[in-house]
Order: sequence, then C-alpha cells, then structure tokens
Amino acid sequence: DQQVKQNSPSLSVQEGRISILNCDYTNSMFDYFLWYKKYPAEGPTFLISISSIKDKNEDGRFTVFLNKSAKHLSLHIVPSQPGDSAVYFCAASATSGSRLTFGEGTQLTVNP
Amino acid sequence: DAGITQSPRYKITETGRQVTLMCHQTWSHSYMFWYRQDLGHGLRLIYYSAAADITDKGEVPDGYVVSRSKTENFPLTLESATRSQTSVYFCASSWTGYYGYTFGSGTRLTVV
Repeated sequence: DQQVKQNSPSLSVQEGRISILNCDYTNSMFDYFLWYKKYPAEGPTFLISISSIKDKNEDGRFTVFLNKSAKHLSLHIVPSQPGDSAVYFCAASATSGSRLTFGEGTQLTVNP
Repeated sequence: DAGITQSPRYKITETGRQVTLMCHQTWSHSYMFWYRQDLGHGLRLIYYSAAADITDKGEVPDGYVVSRSKTENFPLTLESATRSQTSVYFCASSWTGYYGYTFGSGTRLTVV
C-alpha cells in the first residue's frame, strides 16, 4: 500500500523555467510533509518542509504548496537551474509518529 | 569527524552469505533508520530505532536483523543474502521520528 505517491518518474525543463513536482498521499494521519533532493552517489538531503497548519512555505527559489482536501502537495522551483537536476523525494509523517514515508522519487533534469 | 558515516561504500557478496552494513553517527541522535532505495520503489524503511536497545520493523524487514547496543551505532545484518537484496542502503539519524533526518552517503550492495 503506497501511502505517498509520486506519479511522474521524470521531468525535463528548460533552464530559467518553472519546475513543478507533484506528490499525493493517502494517510489522513500525515500532518508534516518534506521534500528531499538526491544527487547520484550521495544520500538524500533535506530541501523544504510544510506543516499541515499551512498551505504554502517558501525558501528562496523553492515553494511547497499543500492542498489537504485533495491530499496533494507540490514543489515549485523558480527559476530552474542546471544544478537542480537531481532526484526529488516527497516524504510524509505524523508528528505523533516515529518514521518518514517516502514516495518513489522524480528525476528532474534541467537543460541549459 | 562529525556526521553520519556508512561503511562499506560498496560491497559484493554471494548468495547465502551473511553481511553487515555499518552506520555510525556523532550527534547522539535518538532515532536511527535504515532505508533501501530501489528503482520504482523510492526509499523503503527496513528498520528503525527510537533509542539504544529499542528497535522496530519498517515496511520491508524480512531477511534483515538490526541491533543498537550504543546510541551512535546501528548495524544492519543480512543473515543470508539473496539477489533481491541487491540495492542501495541508506542510514539516517534524527532527534525526532517525524522530521530532521540526516542521511549517510549510502552502501551499494550487490548480491551475486
């Protein structure tokens, strides 16, 4: 039972344009959501997070949007840069819990 | 050096052999986790630990054993390796169970 789902295995965008990565979840207990970024041969690194009490969180070029009624979140990267090319993992947790559940990941390629 | 380290980085082993992957963190984080990364599945939780001498199963625990006698170490043992356990394994640690994970660089394990 995949509780966190990223339906797009890959996404390709041009440098300077917006990248939008999507994530859906099914568990109503999830109330904290995160995005991790992973380069080849490295471990995932934390990018940005959002609590369920918010619907938007910004950090520089990165913005995460949360739609609780649709159980959907998205990561917007504006403008996209070639260095953003990586695998992006969506993750979710319950603040009362003790684990993160990850999605399958989306490979983002930003073309110069 | 401060941080979280995994060893070895690469390992090739034969079917049926026992192999242990090591994870060491220097922050005294309470929580430690083992994930495996496979194409199409993302990161799946194998085992986690909320404190020394406390461990619990994740999504895919079969064929694996963990122990945590000291806060800083969380070894993962494959008792009798199978080809389906060929994967990249990531260890992570955190002060909480629901966010703030820091990942190691991973161990690429090949079972032949």
